[in-house]
Amino acid sequence: AQSVTQLDSQVPVFEEAPVELRCNYSSSVSVYLFWYVQYPNQGLQLLLKYLSGSTLVESINGFEAEFNKSQTSFHLRKPSVLISDTAEYFCAVTKGGSNYKLTFGKGTLLTVNP
Amino acid sequence: NAGVTQTPKFQVLKTGQSMTLQCAQDMNHEYMSWYRQDPGMGLRLIHYSVGAGITDQGEVPNGYNVSRSTTEDFPLRLLSAAPSQTSVYFCASSLESYPGNTIYFGEGSWLTVV
Repeated sequence: AQSVTQLDSQVPVFEEAPVELRCNYSSSVSVYLFWYVQYPNQGLQLLLKYLSGSTLVESINGFEAEFNKSQTSFHLRKPSVLISDTAEYFCAVTKGGSNYKLTFGKGTLLTVNP
Repeated sequence: NAGVTQTPKFQVLKTGQSMTLQCAQDMNHEYMSWYRQDPGMGLRLIHYSVGAGITDQGEVPNGYNVSRSTTEDFPLRLLSAAPSQTSVYFCASSLESYPGNTIYFGEGSWLTVV
C-alpha cells in the first residue's frame, strides 16, 4: 500500500519570502507524484507532476518540486511567494496505470501575509 | 466543452435520507472516480470506474453506491445518510489511466447531513 505524509498542516509566510511544503511518500513500487492546489471554495488544479526523467519539475507559476528517491520525498518550493498563492496544497501519489486511484496527503494550508 | 459537471453544488440532508450526487463529463473519458474531502484528511477515494458497466471500491466505500451505465455519467448514491458523511465530494475523470494523462476534477459538492 502507498501512503503520503505532508509534514505541515499549516505554513504561514510573508509575501516575497521563500517557502517549502514538505511531502514524503511510502511505496514498495515505483510511483508517480503530483502536487495539486485548491483555492478557497474551488476544485483541485494540477500544479506539477513527476513521472520520470529529470528529478526537478517546474510549474508555470514559479513553483518547483524535486523528486528524491533515496529520501522518498517530493517537496514543493517557491523562492518568492505572492499573496495569490494562498491556498491548500495537496501532495498525491499513484502507481503506474492507475491515475484514477490517487492517494492524497492531508494537505498543507499555505497562507501568505502582506 | 463543459468538462466535469457535478450537481448539486450544495445540499443539506436529514439523517436517514437518501440522495444521489450527479457527475457527468462530456470528454468521452473512460476513467472516473469519486473522492471525499474532510478537514485534515485530504481527499480519499470512495469508488471508481474504468469504463461503462465496471465499478470498484476505493478506500472509503461504506455507505455509498455507484453505477456506470453510460460513459458520461457516474452518480454517487447515499442510501441512508449519516452525519459522518458530511463532506465535500469531488468527481474526477481521465481519458487514459497512464499517470501522465490529465485528470479533470469537478468543482465539488458540499453535503451536510444533520
